[in-house]
Amino acid sequence: GQQVMQIPQYQHVQEGEDFTTYCNSSTTLSNIQWYKQRPGGHPVFLIQLVKSGEVKKQKRLTFQFGEAKKNSSLHITATQTTDVGTYFCAGLTSGTYKYIFGTGTRLKVLA
Amino acid sequence: EAGVAQSPRYKIIEKRQSVAFWCNPISGHATLYWYQQILGQGPKLLIQFQNNGVVDDSQLPKDRFSAERLKGVDSTLKIQPAKLEDSAVYLCASSKDWGQVYDSYEQYFGPGTRLTVT
Repeated sequence: GQQVMQIPQYQHVQEGEDFTTYCNSSTTLSNIQWYKQRPGGHPVFLIQLVKSGEVKKQKRLTFQFGEAKKNSSLHITATQTTDVGTYFCAGLTSGTYKYIFGTGTRLKVLA
Repeated sequence: EAGVAQSPRYKIIEKRQSVAFWCNPISGHATLYWYQQILGQGPKLLIQFQNNGVVDDSQLPKDRFSAERLKGVDSTLKIQPAKLEDSAVYLCASSKDWGQVYDSYEQYFGPGTRLTVT
């Protein structure tokens, strides 16, 4: 079946360092969404990418969708302690209405 | 705008017992999702409704899980009988009505119900 993998599984960074998580799908996606889940919380929507090669920015966060629409990345510049949490990508398989969530990357920021 | 409401927040049951979860989506949201999130994993879609109809339930263990969405608003998810491996957080989410396949919308998640099966 379709899989969406994320790497790394865990990342510890010093505050002020950059962070990147990568999302890879086994099949082509119609679009991809990114969510953040704080410890003990529920996923919160960050952004949606639709077009091949699309790049979107939200303050310190930069999101990219691959040219082949099978991979995506989230880059955080100069991490802060408020960035702590697990970041999930969720891919929509072409021709379906079902989102498949990735395995997640858990980020810890050391002050 | 009120968010997605879920109850109960926590539930502890013994294996082979039954349990039901309730979800009230954001007003006007036609699409409702039930996810199962096992500790340390990403949410797994169990069932997706578009108004009253089921869009996808391919990962719902239908021998023990059932879900309904009467009148296209509230929804209940039931497990009967529960197994130890059902211990997880059950998340309900909702989104606006889908247009074309690429015209999907962000999902708003509720706080979840943490189920422990002993």
